[in-house]
Amino acid sequence: DGGITQSPKYLFRKEGQNVTLSCEQNLNHDAMYWYRQDPGQGLRLIYYSQIVNDFQKGDIAEGYSVSREKKESFPLTVTSAQKNPTAFYLCASSIGQALGDSPLHFGNGTRLTVT
Amino acid sequence: DAKTTQPNSMESNEEEPVHLPCNHSTISGTDYIHWYRQLPSQGPEYVIHGLTSNVNNRMASLAIAEDRKSSTLILHRATLRDAAVYYCILGVYNFNKFYFGSGTKLNVKP
Repeated sequence: DGGITQSPKYLFRKEGQNVTLSCEQNLNHDAMYWYRQDPGQGLRLIYYSQIVNDFQKGDIAEGYSVSREKKESFPLTVTSAQKNPTAFYLCASSIGQALGDSPLHFGNGTRLTVT
Repeated sequence: DAKTTQPNSMESNEEEPVHLPCNHSTISGTDYIHWYRQLPSQGPEYVIHGLTSNVNNRMASLAIAEDRKSSTLILHRATLRDAAVYYCILGVYNFNKFYFGSGTKLNVKP
C-alpha cells in the first residue's frame, strides 16, 4: 500500500541536542511538507519542497532545517536553536501540480518531547 | 495569505445530518477549497475538495456558495466515528501551500 511513513512515533531528547525526524513516501509525489501542531491548535507550515533538491521556508522555519536529496525522503532536523521544540510533527505529500487541487496525504506524526 | 474561519466546536446527534460552515472571504478565483479531518494523535485525513461546483463523494458533500466566500461540509448521517476536528483550508494556485486554521471540533452524541 502506498503512503507516508514517519518514524519514530515518539521521540525524547534533551535540551540542546539536534534531532532528525524521518519522513518517507512511496506515492511518487513531487511535493512534500512539514507541519507542526501544538495542543489544541491547527497545523503550521515549517518547510515545503516542490521538487528534489529544492525547498522553501514556511511560516515557522526558524530553528528547523530540511533536505530533499531524494524524491521519497524529506527529513526534518529540529536544531537547538528552536526555542519550543516540544510538539507533534506531521509530514505530508501531494502530487505537486501547483494548481491547488492536489489533496494532501499525511503521515501519522512524530511526537517530540524535549526536556 | 489565504485564510479560513470556522466555529471552534459543534455538536450533532448520531444518524442526523451535520453542516460544518467555513468562511473564506479572501479566496481568489483559482483557490481550491479542501476539507480534512483529524482524530487525536493521528495525521489529518482528506475528506473532499472543490473549486466552484458542489461536490459529492462517499464520505461527504461540499456545498460552495455562489460567490465562493463560504462553503459547507455536509455529513449526511453522522456516526460516532465522525467525531473529529474538521479543517477547511485553501489550496493556493501556483503554490503547493495549504493554510490550516484551528478547525471545528465535532462532537457526535449517541
